[in-house]
Amino acid sequence: QKEVEQDPGPLSVPEGAIVSLNCTYSNSAFQYFMWYRQYSRKGPELLMYTYSSGNKEDGRFTAQVDKSSKYISLFIRDSQPSDSATYLCASFQGAQKLVFGQGTRLTINP
Amino acid sequence: KAGVTQTPRYLIKTRGQQVTLSCSPISGHRSVSWYQQTPGQGLQFLFEYFSETQRNKGNFPGRFSGRQFSNSRSEMNVSTLELGDSALYLCASSPGLVTDTQYFGPGTRLTVL
Repeated sequence: QKEVEQDPGPLSVPEGAIVSLNCTYSNSAFQYFMWYRQYSRKGPELLMYTYSSGNKEDGRFTAQVDKSSKYISLFIRDSQPSDSATYLCASFQGAQKLVFGQGTRLTINP
Repeated sequence: KAGVTQTPRYLIKTRGQQVTLSCSPISGHRSVSWYQQTPGQGLQFLFEYFSETQRNKGNFPGRFSGRQFSNSRSEMNVSTLELGDSALYLCASSPGLVTDTQYFGPGTRLTVL
């Protein structure tokens, strides 16, 4: 079993919709959680970085961590076609060692 | 500030050969991590170097090795290439603290024939 699980999708929604992307993790020692966005033929870019439980908002993006249920989420409001990409959740397993979910491929249809 | 650069961007090799990939981190960053990305396994950690020392290692065979130079630039080497080594190899740099944000390069696409 992978330490971070993520539904690979694909997920397709109309422009303007609210998107919910989710991951679960099994290691209760995980404290730091990240969401990366990866466009085709590019490297991942960091979207959100959160510590422990709670919410963090940045523009149209909100990251949510629930450590009691080992569940992490990313919400995208007013989704745009430019948000079409693969979204990866991740956590640190050790010093600078990131463990990633499989990635969810998201398409926003105009 | 310039981002993480990786060379070459694309590489085609045949089974049994060896390959060296290069990564230049963001200026001032002392940590370089390497990841392998495949459709089946996703992104998997290979190893991380900090101040020329390997600080962490993933579960890959000894054919995968790396090193870091005094200017923080890093190379990874794969010997005796196998078909399954075909992947996108990503390098990420960070200032170096244990939980510092990692910034990824564009990757090197390796195809093994």
